[in-house]
Amino acid sequence: SQQGEEDPQALSIQEGENATMNCSYKTSINNLQWYRQNSGRGLVHLILIRSNEREKHSGRLRVTLDTSKKSSSLLITASRAADTASYFCATDASGKLTFGQGTILTVHP
Amino acid sequence: NAGVTQTPKFQVLKTGQSMTLQCAQDMNHNSMYWYRQDPGMGLRLIYYSASEGTTDKGEVPNGYNVSRLNKREFSLRLESAAPSQTSVYFCASRRKSDRLNQPQHFGDGTRLSIL
Repeated sequence: SQQGEEDPQALSIQEGENATMNCSYKTSINNLQWYRQNSGRGLVHLILIRSNEREKHSGRLRVTLDTSKKSSSLLITASRAADTASYFCATDASGKLTFGQGTILTVHP
Repeated sequence: NAGVTQTPKFQVLKTGQSMTLQCAQDMNHNSMYWYRQDPGMGLRLIYYSASEGTTDKGEVPNGYNVSRLNKREFSLRLESAAPSQTSVYFCASRRKSDRLNQPQHFGDGTRLSIL
């Protein structure tokens, strides 16, 4: 079963706007990770947030984690056309990842 | 530095044929994983190998077998392919750490069609 559920399933924005994706999960975790997948390629790791962290930044990425609500969000600021991809959250409970269904982000130039 | 390499990139099989998907990593990682990705879905874990010499079932192991040949290589075998196994297969590896907080590194996938 898919532990991570992502919202929205698809997001279409203009270049320069911010994109926010949400992820909910069901069980306790060690960490939560976000990955990006370009069409026809494998997944690329973006950012990892540990269960004892609440917010983390990496360049234009901001991730939050609320373990009481079992939810996380990924914010991409000042989006670019090159950010167009699918984004997946994955929960790590014991070294194994459980992926959500992903959010398809389209950034229009 | 190639990372995780999967072969072949594409394959078409007939129902009942067998095939082995190959995966190799050059990052000296301890753990390796096989996933499948179906349209509109995230990745589902088929089998994994926490360390050389061990393998364990994931979420969807039926119809598959694996071999951890050595630290670098982890293969996935379909003994008798079925149309339901048409999918994109991804291999991943991860550095083992006592902190457990390590990302996985993915190959570019094998696109498998079974007719």
